[in-house]
Amino acid sequence: DVKVTQSSRYLVKRTGEKVFLECVQDMDHENMFWYRQDPGLGLRLIYFSYDVKMKEKGDIPEGYSVSREKKERFSLILESASTNQTSMYLCASRGRQNSYEQYFGPGTRLTVT
Amino acid sequence: AQSVTQLGSHVSVSEGALVLLRCNYSSSVPPYLFWYVQYPNQGLQLLLKYTTGATLVKGINGFEAEFKKSETSFHLTKPSAHMSDAAEYFCAVTAAGRRALTFGSGTRLQVQP
Repeated sequence: DVKVTQSSRYLVKRTGEKVFLECVQDMDHENMFWYRQDPGLGLRLIYFSYDVKMKEKGDIPEGYSVSREKKERFSLILESASTNQTSMYLCASRGRQNSYEQYFGPGTRLTVT
Repeated sequence: AQSVTQLGSHVSVSEGALVLLRCNYSSSVPPYLFWYVQYPNQGLQLLLKYTTGATLVKGINGFEAEFKKSETSFHLTKPSAHMSDAAEYFCAVTAAGRRALTFGSGTRLQVQP
């Protein structure tokens, strides 16, 4: 079974803090994704990575950056957290095979006060 | 560009009743379609997917969906709802050569005893 883990289930940070959200997958997947989930808006893609050190912006990249130094690990960085970044953050991975399905982690609920 | 519309942010059914969750997509190329389920405080779990071949696809927990190209729809059904089906359901679309999924805004299913 594919396993995607996220470093924290719940996180509370103060406005202006630098925040790191970590995601690790154990299936040697090439593609990894960061989404944020907000009520009524579904999941919106922030960034994704298709290989080590390679990344592409998603639909809502403003205020975020990412890092992928190792294939199994994909980090989301909030350079200076703001209250409008309070949300659920979901990480996902996908292999290169043609199944196209993504495997999700349990999510990190981030609150910025 | 691709998009997904899920009609009805909340659906309530009685236990044992038919479940019908609606999904319409927009895509300029042949779509690959997915339904995911999210139980409270968890990540997303794949219910079923359509890529090519048979247009009626069966998934886990007794759910199925039919790809109707003429109607650009991929509605999710289950003949008899169970209390354990209460969750949020997301429809998603992608296409060959694309890495990311585009999600709908989700439908929360309530099952009344």
